[in-house]
Amino acid sequence: DFQMTQSPSSLSASVGDRVTVTCRASQGISNYLAWYQQKPGKGPRLLIYGASTLQSGVPSRFSGSGSGTDFTLTISSLQPEDVAIYYCQKYNSAPWTFGQGTKVEIK
Amino acid sequence: EVQLLESGGGLEQPGWSLRLSCAASGFTFSAYAMSWVRQAPGKGLEWVSTISDSGGSTYYADSVRGRFTISRDDSKSTLYLQMNSLRAEDTALYFCAKGRSGSTASCYNYWGQGTLVTVSS
Repeated sequence: DFQMTQSPSSLSASVGDRVTVTCRASQGISNYLAWYQQKPGKGPRLLIYGASTLQSGVPSRFSGSGSGTDFTLTISSLQPEDVAIYYCQKYNSAPWTFGQGTKVEIK
Repeated sequence: EVQLLESGGGLEQPGWSLRLSCAASGFTFSAYAMSWVRQAPGKGLEWVSTISDSGGSTYYADSVRGRFTISRDDSKSTLYLQMNSLRAEDTALYFCAKGRSGSTASCYNYWGQGTLVTVSS
């Protein structure tokens, strides 16, 4: 089975901190990697696609990097409105697997 | 404005069937691949099924293959998920999602609010 493994599963940081979430694919996926943000009671929101391209309307404090099997989502300066669960997803081919999610909280 | 509105969820007994619908508006529905993604209570996102823009190609997660069928009616801008032989583990919030491009190798730039399916006797 194809696996997308995120770490950490949760983190707590202060407002203004730099936050990093990693995602590892069990096989190479080139740059077919997306990051989503999900807040309670809402559908997910696309943040980044193509591993590093910011979706229109997403604040520039969000960035993505990586290729192949290892990817990173970075929030350069954590804001209170960034409290959410973040998911990575591979989308080069079926199955379009999601990571298990990373819960981001404010300390 | 792109809108995706799911409907058809509810409480159903194990072994029975449900059909979910997703009414789309604000974009050329026939030009995009569409997908269903589910989220069990308190759990993460699970991809369920994808259909190509033409409807000629369909894909399923192993957990639903042979029980669920995805389809689309471009004349009504509506996506469907026929769910047969329901199991307790199918209990989840089901989201409809629009591909960012016409290719099935696409992430999802718009999501609905979801429709809740509960399978219980």
